[in-house]
Amino acid sequence: GESVGLHLPTLSVQEGDNSIINCAYSNSASDYFIWYKQESGKGPQFIIDIRSNMDKRQGQRVTVLLNKTVKHLSLQIAATQPGDSAVYFCAENRRSGYSTLTFGKGTMLLVSP
Amino acid sequence: DTEVTQTPKHLVMGMTNKKSLKCEQHMGHRAMYWYKQKAKKPPELMFVYSYEKLSINESVPSRFSPECPNSSLLNLHLHALQPEDSALYLCASRRDSTSSTDTQYFGPGTRLTVL
Repeated sequence: GESVGLHLPTLSVQEGDNSIINCAYSNSASDYFIWYKQESGKGPQFIIDIRSNMDKRQGQRVTVLLNKTVKHLSLQIAATQPGDSAVYFCAENRRSGYSTLTFGKGTMLLVSP
Repeated sequence: DTEVTQTPKHLVMGMTNKKSLKCEQHMGHRAMYWYKQKAKKPPELMFVYSYEKLSINESVPSRFSPECPNSSLLNLHLHALQPEDSALYLCASRRDSTSSTDTQYFGPGTRLTVL
């Protein structure tokens, strides 16, 4: 199930389940979105991206859905594995002169064997 | 190759020390970034370099001094830091800072502890 801790929302799933991690973004002018995976003590690792002219993009075991109407982004992980346990951040690209990324608060995914 | 390297991996320093963090990428990217990340928080942007020129400084205290000696290297010079500056410092690069759809790649970070 999903719970909101003091600092980081956590999603706990069983191995083999499908996981859905959600993200709300704030700027309707954002034109590019990235999902990153960050394991403990490591830097954020690129997972998948999507441009604002798309609704869905699929990778290997991952799918990103973009709903611009409600400014919502989701990351679906199929057949979740213990190695998927990490913190997942969404990031939106805000175009204002120089393009910079603004990160969401992050969701911790815990996968039990 | 999408690798951004950072050294050192860990750094412990006193408040009177001077130290430097280093970042390197060989992807031909012309935009490089420094972020600060506290535990269980998202990365916070500190500096952006575009074509070796400082483009964005997010009101970072002067005890942090960035430097971009060439298009592959980015340094962060540290002096007179405070214990609250302890964090994971991340370097990132992107093909171009003005292109909105380029992927940004991160290094592994330097874990800094200020005593």
